[in-house]
Amino acid sequence: LAKTTQPISMDSYEGQEVNITCSHNNIATNDYITWYQQFPSQGPRFIIQGYKTKVTNEVASLFIPADRKSSTLSLPRVSLSDTAVYYCLVGDIRAAGNKLTFGGGTRVLVKP
Amino acid sequence: GAGVSQTPSNKVTEKGKYVELRCDPISGHTALYWYRQSLGQGPEFLIYFQGTGAADDSGLPNDRFFAVRPEGSVSTLKIQRTERGDSAVYLCASSPSGRGPGELFFGEGSRLTVL
Repeated sequence: LAKTTQPISMDSYEGQEVNITCSHNNIATNDYITWYQQFPSQGPRFIIQGYKTKVTNEVASLFIPADRKSSTLSLPRVSLSDTAVYYCLVGDIRAAGNKLTFGGGTRVLVKP
Repeated sequence: GAGVSQTPSNKVTEKGKYVELRCDPISGHTALYWYRQSLGQGPEFLIYFQGTGAADDSGLPNDRFFAVRPEGSVSTLKIQRTERGDSAVYLCASSPSGRGPGELFFGEGSRLTVL
């Protein structure tokens, strides 16, 4: 499984854009990239998933460069409720079980 | 309910006791997962079920931990002779199938405290 590295924490302010970059230098051809969000006392929640280039949904955007050795989760105009831990995960699309390997995540604190 | 349901939400027990944690996945989801999360860390995989069978139990820490899913829906995680180190939040997740890519739907977890 490809190892991921992401910042331990980030601070931001309401209304700003937050970008979290995740490194996955040994990502394999069949690996895809997924981001989850976790609030205190809740289970992780799927945010976005991608394989290459750019993916956008109603919550976030995911930018993946051509070499796929990193990815950036972009949260536009954050609010206080976006304070959470964000996990970057890499997994093999061929693998049965869709087993996810979580790292320590990035703790994002949004300040007023 | 629409989501993954876990009971109890909180369980306090004494060292050496037996504990059962229950997970009710989203209806129709064939894949079910158990994870364990210690304070300040990311979730750690324990076991994965495809239907009734445990397809991957490589994350179970030792033979005190066991999980079943007899009818392919509800699952029970069983911990024998609990130890203080077993204290954690136990998360259950389900997905429509076991194939990636895809989304796992997590419950809110069962917080286990072993005194």
